[in-house]
Amino acid sequence: EAGVAQSPRYKIIEKRQSVAFWCNPISGHATLYWYQQILGQGPKLLIQFQNNGVVDDSQLPKDRFSAERLKGVDSTLKIQPAKLEDSAVYLCASSSIAGGLNNEQFFGPGTRLTVL
Amino acid sequence: LAKTTQPISMDSYEGQEVNITCSHNNIATNDYITWYQQFPSQGPRFIIQGYKTKVTNEVASLFIPADRKSSTLSLPRVSLSDTAVYYCLVGGLRGGKLIFGQGTELSVKP
Repeated sequence: EAGVAQSPRYKIIEKRQSVAFWCNPISGHATLYWYQQILGQGPKLLIQFQNNGVVDDSQLPKDRFSAERLKGVDSTLKIQPAKLEDSAVYLCASSSIAGGLNNEQFFGPGTRLTVL
Repeated sequence: LAKTTQPISMDSYEGQEVNITCSHNNIATNDYITWYQQFPSQGPRFIIQGYKTKVTNEVASLFIPADRKSSTLSLPRVSLSDTAVYYCLVGGLRGGKLIFGQGTELSVKP
């Protein structure tokens, strides 16, 4: 089966600009996650969707970050305006039925964002 | 949510068995222990999961003592391709949040 798709793979922007990332999860996976991974650290959950509803967005900086999953399939994550500290890899992951039997999450390759 | 502590880095040689221990003193009764592997420029990949005693699959074994306050990921006969960062996570199932720590950077040398 196809894995989690993300685009773009790389993005360079200047601070205060806007940027958007796209994710297409594995077909049939109801749960979708966005993580931020800063160099040298583990991924940090930003937001979790169950179908098109938000389950957890407690660590999403809502003053500048937004995410949506309108039809319960693909999702976009937006940053507006970007700050230097937003430079990171943004990972999308999906899982079946709120984690399935073992909560295994399948990750995409990520989008590497550089803010200058 | 339980925090985890693991060594920042480990070195090994090809063909050796590698054991990475993770400490999780505040693990809750309904928490499972899960290990992920991450290669550079890739997302993490699920390796193994367990609740107690020992779990084995085709790539690794997971040892969990009775008190469940620690766990050990065992990789038999590592190869150069096992060079990666390994994350230990604890959490519940059915939508439980995954909290990644800093991970253990394993370097396998020829």
